[in-house]
Amino acid sequence: AQSVTQPDIHITVSEGASLELRCNYSYGATPYLFWYVQSPGQGLQLLLKYFSGDTLVQGIKGFEAEFKRSQSSFNLRKPSVHWSDAAEYFCAVGAGGSTLGRLYFGRGTQLTVWP
Amino acid sequence: DGGITQSPKYLFRKEGQNVTLSCEQNLNHDAMYWYRQDPGQGLRLIYYSQIVNDFQKGDIAEGYSVSREKKESFPLTVTSAQKNPTAFYLCASSKGNPGDEQYFGPGTRLTVT
Repeated sequence: AQSVTQPDIHITVSEGASLELRCNYSYGATPYLFWYVQSPGQGLQLLLKYFSGDTLVQGIKGFEAEFKRSQSSFNLRKPSVHWSDAAEYFCAVGAGGSTLGRLYFGRGTQLTVWP
Repeated sequence: DGGITQSPKYLFRKEGQNVTLSCEQNLNHDAMYWYRQDPGQGLRLIYYSQIVNDFQKGDIAEGYSVSREKKESFPLTVTSAQKNPTAFYLCASSKGNPGDEQYFGPGTRLTVT
């Protein structure tokens, strides 16, 4: 069965510092991988996704993520964090077969940014 | 503007009452989804539908019901059988193919007292 683990529940960084949010997945075939961001009381917004091809994926708001098959990971990175990046971040893996279109989400990582 | 509408933003009900949450999309998407979000739990799938007049249970369907009579609409009813209904509910839609991203509505916060 598909699953996603986000090992860090809460991360705090200073504004201007680099950021890496970890995501590990479990899936038998080539996965479809996503990162979403959620501001308090809002819906989720897609940051980026990996479908195939280049393992380094660029997204919106200066985020990027790298797919590493050998480590079953899809970590999200940003070189310099802004205060507006404070939010909750969710990693998700997409399934095929009979559950076409279904996504499996991790529990999320809450990001706090210190000024 | 194309998107997903959820109404209302906040909903209050007394225990023992059924309540229906609205979800409408004008993205012409085939698939629609309902999630429940609780602090620290991430998103848990309640029901999903890949075509009109068909839907499947997700991981936490007990105490919930849905219908999909129109492509644009996927209402969720929280029944009195749901033991702990207070939560944030998110609706999403997608084209329904493997690898397609889901687009989310703004959510409805339901409080049952």
